Amino acid sequence: QTVVTQEPSLTVSPGGTVTLTCASSTGAVTSGHYPNWFQQKPGQAPRALIYSTSNKHSWTPARFSGSVLGGKAALTLSGVQPEDEAVYYCLLYYGGAVVFGGGTKVTVL
Amino acid sequence: QVQLQESGPGLVKPSETLSLTCTVFGGSISSYYWTWIRQPPGKGLEWIGYIHYSGSTKYKPSLKSRVTISVDTSKNQFSLKLSSVTAADTAVYYCARDSRDFYYNMDVWGKGTTVTVSS
Repeated sequence: QTVVTQEPSLTVSPGGTVTLTCASSTGAVTSGHYPNWFQQKPGQAPRALIYSTSNKHSWTPARFSGSVLGGKAALTLSGVQPEDEAVYYCLLYYGGAVVFGGGTKVTVL
Repeated sequence: QVQLQESGPGLVKPSETLSLTCTVFGGSISSYYWTWIRQPPGKGLEWIGYIHYSGSTKYKPSLKSRVTISVDTSKNQFSLKLSSVTAADTAVYYCARDSRDFYYNMDVWGKGTTVTVSS
């Protein structure tokens, strides 16, 4: 079965930059996997941030950006704010099916 | 704007069938892929499957034998049935809208409903 792998945890200082990655067990991630990224805070439903690699929703802060880099999907947070502390999930499409990554807990410290 | 709301029993006995409904408010269920996702306590998100408004479905292979997703366009609802549940099926269950045209985009989610499997 397909496994999507993310870093379990990352720590970043306020105002800093951090990049989260999303890898596929089937090989390189491409735009054809239409990577999506979600933010989840405790007790809340996930909130969509990025779709189809790099597109932002109307509510997505400008400091979030998505890309495909080195065979992985990536989410970069620039100028991190304390409210960005959360778990971030990637999602990849495999034809009809969908697989979520295990999530990256981002701590702002 | 479109909102989704999950509903159904919060407690299900082992070996029985879990049944949930997602109601679409503020928009039509026609078009889009309508999806169920779950999250066991303290764990990550797991895609369960989808139904297209036309009725076509796709399920996660490991759950396929136990899952049925259906749609009722007249009520703007879609539903999840998961049979032969065990404690491992205890989770928050979310419904979501999945858009697949030029862009692929899971943009609208319900708030989730907690289902506990216990006797």
